[in-house]
Amino acid sequence: DVKVTQSSRYLVKRTGEKVFLECVQDMDHENMFWYRQDPGLGLRLIYFSYDVKMKEKGDIPEGYSVSREKKERFSLILESASTNQTSMYLCATTPGTTYEQYFGPGTRLTVT
Amino acid sequence: AQSVTQLDSQVPVFEEAPVELRCNYSSSVSVYLFWYVQYPNQGLQLLLKYLSGSTLVKGINGFEAEFNKSQTSFHLRKPSVHISDTAEYFCAVSDPGGSEKLVFGKGTKLTVNP
Repeated sequence: DVKVTQSSRYLVKRTGEKVFLECVQDMDHENMFWYRQDPGLGLRLIYFSYDVKMKEKGDIPEGYSVSREKKERFSLILESASTNQTSMYLCATTPGTTYEQYFGPGTRLTVT
Repeated sequence: AQSVTQLDSQVPVFEEAPVELRCNYSSSVSVYLFWYVQYPNQGLQLLLKYLSGSTLVKGINGFEAEFNKSQTSFHLRKPSVHISDTAEYFCAVSDPGGSEKLVFGKGTKLTVNP
């Protein structure tokens, strides 16, 4: 079974802090994705990566950056957290031969 | 750009009743289609997928979906729901740009009442 883990289930940060969300997969998958999920808005793609050190902006990249130094790890960085970044963050992976995405359990981030 | 419309944001039903969750997508080119389920405070889990072949697709937990190319629809059905089916359901379609991206609908919250 594919396993996708996220570093925290719940996180509370203050406005202006730098926040790191980590995602690790154990299946040697090529592609990794970061989404945010908000009520009534569904999942919106922030960034994705199709290889180590390769990244592309998704639909809502503003205020976020990413890092992929190793194939199994994809980090989402909030350079200066703001209250409008309070959300559920979901990481997903695909092997590169199919569009089927495998999701982590999510990190619920609250910025106060 | 590809878009996905889930026509109902909330669907309440009684236990053992049938249910249909509706999904329409915009692209007329070949697409892959997915339904995911999200239980409270969890990530998304794949219910079923259509890649090619038979237009009637069976998934886990007794769910099935029918791909209708002429109507660009991929509605999800279950003939008899259980309390444990209470969850949020997301329809997704492959982005035709070839980047392995999915475009998700906004979700339908299914509530099964006793």
